[in-house]
Amino acid sequence: LAKTTQPISMDSYEGQEVNITCSHNNIATNDYITWYQQFPSQGPRFIIQGYKTKVTNEVASLFIPADRKSSTLSLPRVSLSDTAVYYCLVNSMDSNYQLIWGAGTKLIIKP
Amino acid sequence: EAQVTQNPRYLITVTGKKLTVTCSQNMNHEYMSWYRQDPGLGLRQIYYSMNVEVTDKGDVPEGYKVSRKEKRNFPLILESPSPNQTSLYFCASSLLPLTSGSEQYFGPGTRLTVT
Repeated sequence: LAKTTQPISMDSYEGQEVNITCSHNNIATNDYITWYQQFPSQGPRFIIQGYKTKVTNEVASLFIPADRKSSTLSLPRVSLSDTAVYYCLVNSMDSNYQLIWGAGTKLIIKP
Repeated sequence: EAQVTQNPRYLITVTGKKLTVTCSQNMNHEYMSWYRQDPGLGLRQIYYSMNVEVTDKGDVPEGYKVSRKEKRNFPLILESPSPNQTSLYFCASSLLPLTSGSEQYFGPGTRLTVT
């Protein structure tokens, strides 16, 4: 059964690229990886989803190595408004289907 | 505007007093879920629904009930709330099955306190 592990917190500065890595050592062949962003007093918001290699959209990129045991969310040129908690999610088909959420990474962007 | 709404947003109640948290989505999504979010434990799925009249247990279903009589609505029912159900609750919907990594749209949350 997949378990997701991500750093508790990270700091960075405006204009920098931020990379948040999630470890999911036991990910199964059919599992997808999804990332969400959550601001205080709001529900999580979808950022990006991937299965393998690299996926890019207008706000982020997701890098998944060939062994798929980890994934890295990359936020280019962050701003203060990117301060939030970021969650990694593995949609696992194991054990008759489960959603394996990471505990979240609190990202603080400084001026 | 595409959205998921929840009511109430805040609720303080006493042990044993039945309550219902409503959830509605206007995107014609088939798939809906309820989660609870607790510090240090992250998001845990309580129940989910694949379509009208089709529901299944998530990771932490004990003490909760759901119903899906209409596509847009997915209420969460606590028949006899207890203090350990004090939490932040989120409803979510998606167009495609969650097993495909489908984007979920979350509601604004309901903060429940059971004394």
